Amino acid sequence: QKEVEQDPGPLSVPEGAIVSLNCTYSNSAFQYFMWYRQYSRKGPELLMYTYSSGNKEDGRFTAQVDKSSKYISLFIRDSQPSDSATYLCAMTDTDKLIFGTGTRLQVFP
Amino acid sequence: KAGVTQTPRYLIKTRGQQVTLSCSPISGHRSVSWYQQTPGQGLQFLFEYFSETQRNKGNFPGRFSGRQFSNSRSEMNVSTLELGDSALYLCASSLHEQETQYFGPGTRLLVL
Repeated sequence: QKEVEQDPGPLSVPEGAIVSLNCTYSNSAFQYFMWYRQYSRKGPELLMYTYSSGNKEDGRFTAQVDKSSKYISLFIRDSQPSDSATYLCAMTDTDKLIFGTGTRLQVFP
Repeated sequence: KAGVTQTPRYLIKTRGQQVTLSCSPISGHRSVSWYQQTPGQGLQFLFEYFSETQRNKGNFPGRFSGRQFSNSRSEMNVSTLELGDSALYLCASSLHEQETQYFGPGTRLLVL
């Protein structure tokens, strides 16, 4: 079993939809949680970084962490075609940083 | 502040050759990590360097090696290339080990 599981998609939604991207993990030692966005032929760019359980909002993006369920989510409100990319979750226990395999999102006009 | 830079951006090699990839971290960042990204396996950790010392290593064969210089720039080397080494090689830097990482654009390696 992988330490971090992420549905690879693809996820296809219409412009304006609310998108929910999720990861589950098995290592309860993970403390820091990140979401990266990767456009085609580019390196991943950091979107959100959270430490504690709960929600963190940044513009149209909300990161949610539920440590008791070992589950993290990224919500995108009012999705735009420019949000079309692969979204990777990542988490660390300060010893190692583990990435999910990424979910490919396509937002169509 | 300039981001992470990687050179070259694209590379074509043949089986059995070796390759050296270069990474310049964000100014002031002392930790550099390398990842291999393929469609089937996603991002796989290769190794992490901090202050010229390898701190962590992933599950890759000894053909994959790296080093970090005193200015924090890093290189990774792959010897005796195999077809399966075709991938996007990403470098990421952070201020300290295991902190938020910032990625470069990657080097796309094609082994024929």
